[in-house]
Amino acid sequence: DSGVTQTPKHLITATGQRVTLRCSPRSGDLSVYWYQQSLDQGLQFLIQYYNGEERAKGNILERFSAQQFPDLHSELNLSSLELGDSALYFCASSVVRGQEDTQYFGPGTRLTVL
Amino acid sequence: GDSVTQMEGPVTLSEEAFLTINCTYTATGYPSLFWYVQYPGEGLQLLLKATKADDKGSNKGFEATYRKETTSFHLEKGSVQVSDSAVYFCALSSSQGGSEKLVFGKGTKLTVNP
Repeated sequence: DSGVTQTPKHLITATGQRVTLRCSPRSGDLSVYWYQQSLDQGLQFLIQYYNGEERAKGNILERFSAQQFPDLHSELNLSSLELGDSALYFCASSVVRGQEDTQYFGPGTRLTVL
Repeated sequence: GDSVTQMEGPVTLSEEAFLTINCTYTATGYPSLFWYVQYPGEGLQLLLKATKADDKGSNKGFEATYRKETTSFHLEKGSVQVSDSAVYFCALSSSQGGSEKLVFGKGTKLTVNP
């Protein structure tokens, strides 16, 4: 158990819909990262938050957004869903402490868009 | 940009065989290097890491040495077990551009037969 929790574990929805994925980081970790794992793209970095502020953006679509709340949990919002958004979405957290930084991953949310 | 290349799978071995999974990287600066493992139906688990040149990471009988001169971080295990069957991901984190995001290789699926 990494200490990072993600809900829900599975999500099945229809095209055009909007969903919210939730992540709680390990106790004491200030940074949260979101990654997407799909068969064709592999593991891709989406976005990073640090202590409530956006720190970096990767290959995140404009239909997707995220935020980190004062209690440090994070939510990833996916809207106008398309079939191609079906993937495993991972959250990771870290302290952010220079070269010693290590990211710990949650179990993921499997999104299926029908 | 930063990138990670790891050997294509799948890799199939018999129990007690020697394992090598090759990983090379391209990065600006001095990245930290990681191996993550994903067991069937589960999330990513950190297997081992190295943060500077010539460091050796080790865990559960797996080892990898950070080789700056060859930009490599090959994963090895002397005697694999059936329980090692999983997908292995090599990754780097460079902290360039103000983000500690991970850049992953495509993953190598390992199957160990009894």
